[in-house]
Amino acid sequence: DAGVIQSPRHEVTEMGQEVTLRCKPISGHNSLFWYRQTMMRGLELLIYFNNNVPIDDSGMPEDRFSAKMPNASFSTLKIQPSEPRDSAVYFCASSLQFEQYFGPGTRLTVT
Amino acid sequence: AQSVAQPEDQVNVAEGNPLTVKCTYSVSGNPYLFWYVQYPNRGLQFLLKYITGDNLVKGSYGFEAEFNKSQTSFHLKKPSALVSDSALYFCAVRDPSRRGTSYGKLTFGQGTILTVHP
Repeated sequence: DAGVIQSPRHEVTEMGQEVTLRCKPISGHNSLFWYRQTMMRGLELLIYFNNNVPIDDSGMPEDRFSAKMPNASFSTLKIQPSEPRDSAVYFCASSLQFEQYFGPGTRLTVT
Repeated sequence: AQSVAQPEDQVNVAEGNPLTVKCTYSVSGNPYLFWYVQYPNRGLQFLLKYITGDNLVKGSYGFEAEFNKSQTSFHLKKPSALVSDSALYFCAVRDPSRRGTSYGKLTFGQGTILTVHP
């Protein structure tokens, strides 16, 4: 299996622009998680899905963030409009039973 | 609410010596516990987990961890450290409840930087 796939790996954008991060979970996994990692705040859970349904989005910072999972093999995290404080590494993870498997992350820089 | 504490921001050890990275947790009921490792510019990699059974669990790269219910701890250990073990280590706990918004959710500690010196 190829593992969790994320794209792009790096994204540099200007403040105010829309950013879309993409994730393909491991085939057969039924849960998907979006995390954000920064030096200041560490690893934060933003939202997670079970069987394509959002279960807990309490970690989404504000209305500028949205996430979708239209099918079992694809999810997006969108930031609109982006701000410099959104600069971070965003990880997607998937899970079947207990442990989560993480993708390589997308490093987002908003200037 | 579940929580995890990693009391040491950094751990330094000489190559060949045993290493311990500490973790304590708080959760209602019997916990599911995990250790992950993160190398620079990489995602988190699963090392090992405790779900039930033997309190000593073995994982990848020679690591092991001991579940201690009375001390609510799940310390990561390795008998002989390698320079290549240098990385950021995360402990995580999962509420075993199958209900509500906590189902499936991992709570991570703040991480411990392990440095193994040659």
